[in-house]
Amino acid sequence: EDQVTQSPEALRLQEGESSSLNCSYTVSGLRGLFWYRQDPGKGPEFLFTLYSAGEEKEKERLKATLTKKESFLHITAPKPEDSATYLCAVQAGGGNQFYFGTGTSLTVIP
Amino acid sequence: DAGITQSPRHKVTETGTPVTLRCHQTENHRYMYWYRQDPGHGLRLIHYSYGVKDTDKGEVSDGYSVSRSKTEDFLLTLESATSSQTSVYFCAIGDHTNEKLFFGSGTQLSVL
Repeated sequence: EDQVTQSPEALRLQEGESSSLNCSYTVSGLRGLFWYRQDPGKGPEFLFTLYSAGEEKEKERLKATLTKKESFLHITAPKPEDSATYLCAVQAGGGNQFYFGTGTSLTVIP
Repeated sequence: DAGITQSPRHKVTETGTPVTLRCHQTENHRYMYWYRQDPGHGLRLIHYSYGVKDTDKGEVSDGYSVSRSKTEDFLLTLESATSSQTSVYFCAIGDHTNEKLFFGSGTQLSVL
């Protein structure tokens, strides 16, 4: 059974304090691993797609990496506006479905 | 922003009544999805569509039906709403590559 587990559930950081969010997965033939950001009361917003182990993607203060069993979302020198819930999802090869983790709620304190 | 509109944005209904949620897109994307989001469960797939009149079940499809008679519209119907269907419902769309999803703003449904 395809599964996605995110940790921690919640993370509080001081502004400028770098950290990482984890997404571990079990899927038959990974087609892609996705990171989304979700603000309260809104739908998830796409951030990154990673396709193979060793791949990295960056956007502003965010950097996503992928291994054969997990992905990390590194947040460098976060700002309060980075506060959101970050969701990880996987898509198995040959399938149309996306499986989501329960997310990490990030709070960045000024 | 991807052109996705969900309606209604909020709905309160009573147990046993039928409810239809609508997702409308202006992107001409092939794939459309209905998810529900609940605390502790994350986003769970209800049904999805890979073309007009082509639909398939997700992991939590019991009690829900869908229809897609036009590319732009994907309807989710709760034939007889139950309190366990109180949730936030999100529609999402994917293009022909289906390599990422664009989400609507969600519908908050409360079944009393």
